[in-house]
This record gives sequence, structure tokens and C-alpha cells, in this order.
Amino acid sequence: GNSVTQMEGPVTLSEEAFLTINCTYTATGYPSLFWYVQYPGEGLQLLLKATKADDKGSNKGFEATYRKETTSFHLEKGSVQVSDSAVYFCALMDSSYKLIFGSGTRLLVRP
Amino acid sequence: DADVTQTPRNRITKTGKRIMLECSQTKGHDRMYWYRQDPGLGLRLIYYSFDVKDINKGEISDGYSVSRQAQAKFSLSLESAIPNQTALYFCATSPAAGGGRNTEAFFGQGTRLTVV
Repeated sequence: GNSVTQMEGPVTLSEEAFLTINCTYTATGYPSLFWYVQYPGEGLQLLLKATKADDKGSNKGFEATYRKETTSFHLEKGSVQVSDSAVYFCALMDSSYKLIFGSGTRLLVRP
Repeated sequence: DADVTQTPRNRITKTGKRIMLECSQTKGHDRMYWYRQDPGLGLRLIYYSFDVKDINKGEISDGYSVSRQAQAKFSLSLESAIPNQTALYFCATSPAAGGGRNTEAFFGQGTRLTVV
């Protein structure tokens, strides 16, 4: 079946460091890809998305590019802030409109 | 008021009891989903529904049932709760506009369920 695999956390960085969180997927057809973020005690909210190959999603300084050849959608940010500390989920929506999530990666940014 | 509301927010129940978790939405979305979140396992899909007459099992539906009472309401039931159903449960909605797959999902605040 379709699935999403993300790097295990926690990822601990100092403020202003560069962030990469890896995400790869397995899916038939052409899924849409998403990154969601979960702040402590809250539900998930959309961070960014990409709907076709080579699309780049971006929001709040975060970026991810839909790479069909490597089935990847890695999340990057050039300079993280303490306020970016959260759990990040990679997800895909498949051809049957199921929304499938990875296991999540906790990010901790230290001042 | 939140667009996607889950009740209760927290619940402790005993093994063997039946419990219902409720989700209501004011966004007018057709698609609704139930997930459970466990540490290290991310969100796993329990059931999903694309309209009142369309209910589908997700990857972990055993031990759960759902009811789509109206477009705005989607309830999750545990017929006989067991301790390994202790988890954080999320409801989500998504529009079906245009039939596309690029539509954002909106989540409730979650229900923390503990089965003792």
C-alpha cells in the first residue's frame, strides 16, 4: 500500500541553523504531497504542499520540492527559530483521496 | 469557535466499556477522517467518509466503528474499549471541491483517550 517514511527524531538544532527533514513516499500514480506541523497541545495544521512533480511548496521560510525521480519531499529551512520547535509530519493524498501520514519528526530548537 | 470540534477533549474509561468520540465541523466539507496518534507511529487512519452514504475503512479499523450522521458530523465508537486503544484521536475534514487531491485537511484539537 501507499506509505510515507520520514527521518526519526528528535532533531535538535541551535537557533539560526539549517534544517532538513527527510521524507520519502511510496505510492501508485501521482499523489499530492504535504507537510503538516503540530505545536504542543494542538492539532495539525498545513505548512506547505505540492501537487505535481518539480513543484516547490513554501511557507514561513520552509520549502520542499516534489521529486518524483527520488520519490522524496524533503523539508528545509535556512535559519530555524525557537518558535519552530514542533512535530513535523510528511503526508500524501493518494488517488482514492486517503490522506496518509508519516511517523512525524520532532524538532527542538535551542536559543 | 473552532471549525472542527471534537468532544470530549479528554476521557478516561474502563476496559470493556463502549465509548463514542464526536466530531462536528462548520466548514461545509464533504470528506471527514478519523486518525489515532501514538508516539513514534505518527497518525494512522481509522476510517474516512466522503459523504453520508460513503464510509471506508482505513488501515486500523478493527475494534472501531463510525457513523456519519450528517455532512457535518462524524462519530467514532469503540465498542469494547481495550488498553491498547489508549491514544490521541484526531478528526479531520477536507473539501472535495473539483475532486482534486491538493486540498488541505483541517484538524480538530484532538481527544485524549485513556483506557484503564
